[in-house]
Amino acid sequence: EPEVTQTPSHQVTQMGQEVILRCVPISNHLYFYWYRQILGQKVEFLVSFYNNEISEKSEIFDDQFSVERPDGSNFTLKIRSTKLEDSAMYFCASKGDTASNYGYTFGSGTRLTVV
Amino acid sequence: KQEVTQIPAALSVPEGENLVLNCSFTDSAIYNLQWFRQDPGKGLTSLLLIQSSQREQTSGRLNASLDKSSGRSTLYIAASQPGDSATYLCAPGGYNTDKLIFGTGTRLQVFP
Repeated sequence: EPEVTQTPSHQVTQMGQEVILRCVPISNHLYFYWYRQILGQKVEFLVSFYNNEISEKSEIFDDQFSVERPDGSNFTLKIRSTKLEDSAMYFCASKGDTASNYGYTFGSGTRLTVV
Repeated sequence: KQEVTQIPAALSVPEGENLVLNCSFTDSAIYNLQWFRQDPGKGLTSLLLIQSSQREQTSGRLNASLDKSSGRSTLYIAASQPGDSATYLCAPGGYNTDKLIFGTGTRLQVFP
């Protein structure tokens, strides 16, 4: 079964530092996403990415956040200057473009702790 | 704005019971609805995807139904097992948006 792979699984960073969370989506998928889940809260949408550009973003996704697909396989989320409230589990997801695979596949997440 | 509610919030049952988990959503203009399972501290595992034109989907002991007009979906788990213990999340997807809106989930514990 194809998987979405996320690295690292855990990251601890100091407030104000930049972090990059990495994801390898399923190879034939065309739509890519980042979601986050603060401990004890709902899973929240951050951003969607298609055809090398952001297609939709939430209010959470402010100027401190950016996404990139630097090559044909990786999809990254960068937080420029982390805040304590950025501590959360960050999930990458991908989705195909055919009727047989309209469902999302999520990665196992990166737990980000900002201290 | 889509709001998703899941009932019950938590459920603890002996193994072997048949279970019903409920999901309701306020905006019935959905494209599809996906059910996920989340184990503690882990990612989301897709269980079932129902397109808006479908009434139900089945996978093994799981059956999900969708009543779009009333804004409801139900996940039925037959003959529950301790390995089914997890949080179950439903997430409808809209027509004019590419994002999923998640409910707070039902935390299920199945004891031997």
